[in-house]
Amino acid sequence: DIQMTQSPSSLSASVGDRVTITCRASQGISNYLAWYQQKPGKVPKLLIYAASTLQSGVPSRFSGSGSGTDFTLTISSLQPEDVATYYCQKYNSALVFTFGPGTKVDIK
Amino acid sequence: EVQLVESGGGLVQPGGSLRLSCAASGFTFSDHYMDWVRQAPGKGLEWVGRTRNKANSYTTEYAASVKGRFTISRDDSKNSLYLQMNSLKTEDTAVYYCAREVGNGRPRLDYWGQGTLVTVSS
Repeated sequence: DIQMTQSPSSLSASVGDRVTITCRASQGISNYLAWYQQKPGKVPKLLIYAASTLQSGVPSRFSGSGSGTDFTLTISSLQPEDVATYYCQKYNSALVFTFGPGTKVDIK
Repeated sequence: EVQLVESGGGLVQPGGSLRLSCAASGFTFSDHYMDWVRQAPGKGLEWVGRTRNKANSYTTEYAASVKGRFTISRDDSKNSLYLQMNSLKTEDTAVYYCAREVGNGRPRLDYWGQGTLVTVSS
């Protein structure tokens, strides 16, 4: 089965910093990748799908890129409300979803 | 407004059974695939499975960890999704979310319920 890894597992950055999170698939998955944000104690929220398409209502400081095995989620200017854990999620020919282990983002 | 409300969680002994429900509103439930996702305390997200819509014969898929023990079903007349959990193990302890799946070409989960906690313990 295709495994998903994320790096780093956690990071601490200052308000206004550019933050990049990486998600890697053990085999190519084209652009069958989504990103979710889960704030502490809250429900996961869809941010990006098809690797780079911003979900309606999501701030434009969030962006996604990549295809094949390597993907990135970028927050162009970190805001206090972005404190959360971020998960990538892939979909493959086995018709199952798999989530990455998550990246916890804090404010320094 | 899309709403998904789970219910049915609680404490159950290992080996026991539990049935979760998810009441949907604010969209045409019968058109959509629906999924269950769980999250163990302090852990990450784990996809449980999905049911497709009537047009796709209500077919289902499951994660390997629950296959043969869990069954997903739906009642379009009641706008409801269900998760029947049998032979429960302590490692099934988690918050269970129902979620709406969209995007046949690039599937993703665009709305989630608030979740219901299932605790498997003796």
